[in-house]
Formats: sequence, structure tokens, C-alpha cells
Amino acid sequence: DVKVTQSSRYLVKRTGEKVFLECVQDMDHENMFWYRQDPGLGLRLIYFSYDVKMKEKGDIPEGYSVSREKKERFSLILESASTNQTSMYLCASGTSGSHNEQFFGPGTRLTVL
Amino acid sequence: SQQGEEDPQALSIQEGENATMNCSYKTSINNLQWYRQNSGRGLVHLILIRSNEREKHSGRLRVTLDTSKKSSSLLITASRAADTASYFCATARQGAQKLVFGQGTRLTINP
Repeated sequence: DVKVTQSSRYLVKRTGEKVFLECVQDMDHENMFWYRQDPGLGLRLIYFSYDVKMKEKGDIPEGYSVSREKKERFSLILESASTNQTSMYLCASGTSGSHNEQFFGPGTRLTVL
Repeated sequence: SQQGEEDPQALSIQEGENATMNCSYKTSINNLQWYRQNSGRGLVHLILIRSNEREKHSGRLRVTLDTSKKSSSLLITASRAADTASYFCATARQGAQKLVFGQGTRLTINP
């Protein structure tokens, strides 16, 4: 079974802190994604990566950056956390090609005080 | 931007009944996928239907796709309490690796 793990289930940070969210997948997938999920807004894509050191902005990249130094690991960075970044963050991985289903991690619920 | 829109936003039925959820989208697609999310958890892939397919089955799930109407439906037959979850459709455009998710249907199965 594909396994996608995220470094924390729950995280509480203060405004202005730098926050790292880590995601690791064990299926050698080319693609990795970071979403945030908010009530009434569904899943919104923040960033995705289709190869090591490659990244593309999603729909809401402002206030975030990403890093993919190794194929299995995709990190989301909040340079200076703000209260409006309180959300559920979901990482996913998947293969490229026509069967582009995604496999999700359990999510990190981040609260910024 | 969100392309898929699920209907209804919430659905509550009795155990044993069938549940039908609909999804509409706006652009041409390569495939359409359905995912389930249990409360506070990640999403789980349920089924993928390609743009040249009209219907697909997987266990108690039946998915239809009408590309002329840009719509899909997910039918869960003989529902169980464990089917209580949010269900999302997601579309993939031709040549794109990104998925665009709808806002989901929250399904509650009452025992």
C-alpha cells in the first residue's frame, strides 16, 4: 500500500514564526502536492512538484514556499505564519500519466495564534 | 480555481438506502475521480472514470460520466454507517497532472 506520512497531526504556532510541514511518500511517485482545506472552500492547491527541485505554484501560493530536495520528501514552509494560515494542510503524491490518482497523508491541523 | 461542484452539499439517509451525489465541472477533462474523506482525515481515492467511459462500477459504487453535460454522479448502494464521510469529485484536464477538487458532499448514514 502507498503510504504518505506527514510530520505532525496537530501543530500550534505563534504569529510570525517560521513553520515547516514535512511530507514523505514511499512509492517513488514523481508528483507531490500541498493543499489546504477550509470549511466552505474545499481543497485548494498551494504548490506542487513534478520532480526533484521542480515546483509550480498552485492556486494560493502567497505566504508559502516549498522544497523538494529528495524525491520522497516535499516540504511546505510558512516563512512568517499568520492567523489566516490556520487550516488543515494535506499532502498528496501521485504518478504522472493518465491515471493520475493521488494518495493523501492524514493531514496536519495547524493553528496560528 | 475550483472547477467541480458537488450537489447536494449535505445528504442524510437511512442505513440500507442508496445515496446519490452529483458533480458538475466546466472544462474538458481527461478523467474524473471520486474521493472519500472521513472526519479530520486525509482523502482516499475511490474510483477513476476516463473521459471516454460512461459508467464504472467498484463494489457498491457506481459512477457515471456525461461529458456532454459536464457532469458525473456517484451512487453508493445499500449504504452503511461506515459510509458516513465527505465525498469529493476531482477533475484532471488533458495533459495536466493537477486535480481540481469540488467542495464536497457531506453524507450521513443514520442507523
